[in-house]
Parts: sequence; C-alpha cells; structure tokens
Amino acid sequence: DAKTTQPTSMDCAEGRAANLPCNHSTISGNEYVYWYRQIHSQGPQYIIHGLKNNETNEMASLIITEDRKSSTLILPHATLRDTAVYYCIVRISGTYKYIFGTGTRLKVLA
Amino acid sequence: DADVTQTPRNRITKTGKRIMLECSQTKGHDRMYWYRQDPGLGLRLIYYSFDVKDINKGEISDGYSVSRQAQAKFSLSLESAIPNQTALYFCATSDPGTGSTSTGELFFGEGSRLTVL
Repeated sequence: DAKTTQPTSMDCAEGRAANLPCNHSTISGNEYVYWYRQIHSQGPQYIIHGLKNNETNEMASLIITEDRKSSTLILPHATLRDTAVYYCIVRISGTYKYIFGTGTRLKVLA
Repeated sequence: DADVTQTPRNRITKTGKRIMLECSQTKGHDRMYWYRQDPGLGLRLIYYSFDVKDINKGEISDGYSVSRQAQAKFSLSLESAIPNQTALYFCATSDPGTGSTSTGELFFGEGSRLTVL
C-alpha cells in the first residue's frame, strides 16, 4: 500500500488560497487519492478524491501530477473555519484500507 | 439526525470493566468500520465489516471485539478495559467506491471519548 507524506503544519492568511501538498511516490495505478479534514476532535469529513485527473467540487480542488507521485489540495479562499487537520490518503478502489497518517495541521490566520 | 450516531459520546470507566460502544447508521451502507485516534495521531483501524456476516480485524484489534447486529448497527466492545485504551473512537460507514456513483467516501460519527482509569 502506498504511503503518504505531508508537512506537519501550515499557516494561511484568511481569504488567500491554501495549498496543501502530499507526496505519494509509491502509489500504484489502481490507488485513488482521497482528502479528508478533521476539525478539532470531530469525525473526519470527506473533501475530494481523484485517480489521475484534476478534480474540483464546491469545497476544494485536487491537482494530481502527471506521474501521480504527488498531489495538492487547494482551498481557493481559506476562511477561519478551514482551520483543521487535513489528511491525504491513498486507497485501492473497493478495498477497506484507508490509511490515515498524521496529516497537516492548517491554521488560517485572520 | 446524524447519518452515523455513536453512543455514548463520553465515558469514564475503571480498569477491568467491560465497555460497549455502539454505532448506528442511516446511510444504508453495508460497510462499517471502527477506528481509534490517540492525541496528535491519525486514525487506526480496529475492525471492519463488509456485511452482517463479514467481520475482519484491522491493524490494532487486540483487546477489542465487535458485533454486527444488523446492517445498520455495529458495536465495539472492550472486554476488560485498560488505561492504554483511553482514546477517541470513531465509527464510520462507506459504500464500496467501485462504480461511477460510488465514491468510497467514509462517513464518520462524532466520536466516543473513552477514559480508562
């Protein structure tokens, strides 16, 4: 199973784009990239996922490099409510394995 | 009402006591999971179930057992609680994530905070 590497923490000014990187250099062809966030001690919340194409939804954009070895989650206009721990996960379609690392603690500053 | 409901939300107990954490879901998913989170760490999988008759150990199942009473209910038991089982426990559900409308998204409950003295 591919493992992910994320920075421990990041700061972002309110209203600016938050770009959260994730390295998954050992990802295999059938593994999807998922992003979740956890606000305080609440249950993690799904944000977005993708296989190889860039994806966008109402919450964020996901940019996956062409070689699929890394990705970036983009929150286009960060707000104070986006302060959370963000987890990047790779998962084989259909399997049970969602391996959560320690994530990136994003702090949005006023 | 929440899609995934966990009870109790908070529990303090003593070493050696039997504890049950309950989870119910209204998502209609076959797949259910129990995770544990320790301070400052990510989530670790304890058990998972793909349907009522299918229960599997995760990465840290020692000291825990589960019961899938129905599609909507999945409970986690600590037969004899010990202090290092003090943690935040999450139940989650998902669809398989194998089709065009099946994302594999995990839906989490709000967590059960367990303290073992």
